[in-house]
Amino acid sequence: QVQLVQSGAEVKKPGASVKVSCKASGYTFTGNYLHWVRQAPGQGLEWMGWINPNSGGTDYAQKFQGRVTMTRDTSISTAYMELNRLRSDDTAVYYCARDRVNYGDYQLDYWGQGTLVTVSS
Amino acid sequence: EIVLTQSPATLSLSPGERVTLSCRASQSVSSYLAWYQQKPGQAPRLLIYEASKRATGTPARFSGSGSGTDFTLTISSLEPEDFAVYYCQQRSTFGQGTRLEIK
Repeated sequence: QVQLVQSGAEVKKPGASVKVSCKASGYTFTGNYLHWVRQAPGQGLEWMGWINPNSGGTDYAQKFQGRVTMTRDTSISTAYMELNRLRSDDTAVYYCARDRVNYGDYQLDYWGQGTLVTVSS
Repeated sequence: EIVLTQSPATLSLSPGERVTLSCRASQSVSSYLAWYQQKPGQAPRLLIYEASKRATGTPARFSGSGSGTDFTLTISSLEPEDFAVYYCQQRSTFGQGTRLEIK
């Protein structure tokens, strides 16, 4: 069965960086784009970007351009999302989610359990 | 950038009732619209993709319709487990969500 398992909660100070991992299993890792979506406490869903695990190509939301980097390691079927220069309003649950098809149609059929990132001085 | 507006923000209903949630796009999005259900403390779950196709495991009481700018998610008879927040999504844009509460 398809599973996306994310790394554990993080507490960071403003200005620091965080790197969240997402380990995939149960399907061919390079066959589907992986997206990152975040959710601030009590708020809605916000799309951050995707990575094509096959090519390593990425597309980021304009809001995060210059601050986010998405990478992958195909040898261990794991994707990563690194967010730099953290601010208090980056406090959120960060999710990885699999694209339903292999060309990125943004319809996300499997989600990780989420990683809470808390930014606080 | 496309804006998705969901209405209403909150609905209070009883089990067994029929409910229709609305999602309106600021410009045509063809049929590439998805619906998700999210329960407290859980990740979202894909219910409907391409506006009207049920995802694997989605019960038949859920149906989606619409194209262009106006879309709806209908639950034919509410079960206790259906009380949650529902989001529509078109590519990189999510609606703000509709909260379905037990009356």
